[in-house]
Amino acid sequence: QKEVEQDPGPLSVPEGAIVSLNCTYSNSAFQYFMWYRQYSRKGPELLMYTYSSGNKEDGRFTAQVDKSSKYISLFIRDSQPSDSATYLCAMSLLSSGSARQLTFGSGTQLTVLP
Amino acid sequence: EAGVVQSPRYKIIEKKQPVAFWCNPISGHNTLYWYRQNLGQGPELLIRYENEEAVDDSQLPKDRFSAERLKGVDSTLKIQPAELGDSAVYLCASSLDGGQGTDTQYFGPGTRLTVL
Repeated sequence: QKEVEQDPGPLSVPEGAIVSLNCTYSNSAFQYFMWYRQYSRKGPELLMYTYSSGNKEDGRFTAQVDKSSKYISLFIRDSQPSDSATYLCAMSLLSSGSARQLTFGSGTQLTVLP
Repeated sequence: EAGVVQSPRYKIIEKKQPVAFWCNPISGHNTLYWYRQNLGQGPELLIRYENEEAVDDSQLPKDRFSAERLKGVDSTLKIQPAELGDSAVYLCASSLDGGQGTDTQYFGPGTRLTVL
């Protein structure tokens, strides 16, 4: 069993829809949670990060962490065709040194149709 | 500000041939990472450098993979000899050590390797 599980999709939604992307994890020591976006033929880029349980909002994006359930989510409101990409969750321990050791999910491929 | 630069972008080789990938991190970033990303998977860390020192190479297949980071700037990852299973995208990332242990990693576009 992988430490981080992510539904690979593909997920296809109409423009303007609310998108929900999810990951589960098994290592309760993970404390630092990130979402990366990866466009085709590009490297991943950091979208959002959070340390704590609860919600963190940035524009149309909301990251949610539930440590008790070992479950994280990324919500995209008013989705746009430019949001079409693969979304990767990543997480790590939170001590100097090990915090840089990221464990990634397998990614969810999202297509937003105009 | 220029991002992480990698070359070549694409490489096709026959199995048992050697191959090398080059990475130039963001200026001033002291930490450099090499990841491998298989098709439909997330990146997996191969090796991490802090300045010139390889501080985490536990996932690097040392029988055929080697890496170096001369002068703590550019880095080269080499495979010799390549096997069919090495076909993947090799990503380089860099970060600035702010002492918090949660530095943002900035990724390059990757080198897509195909081994025939």
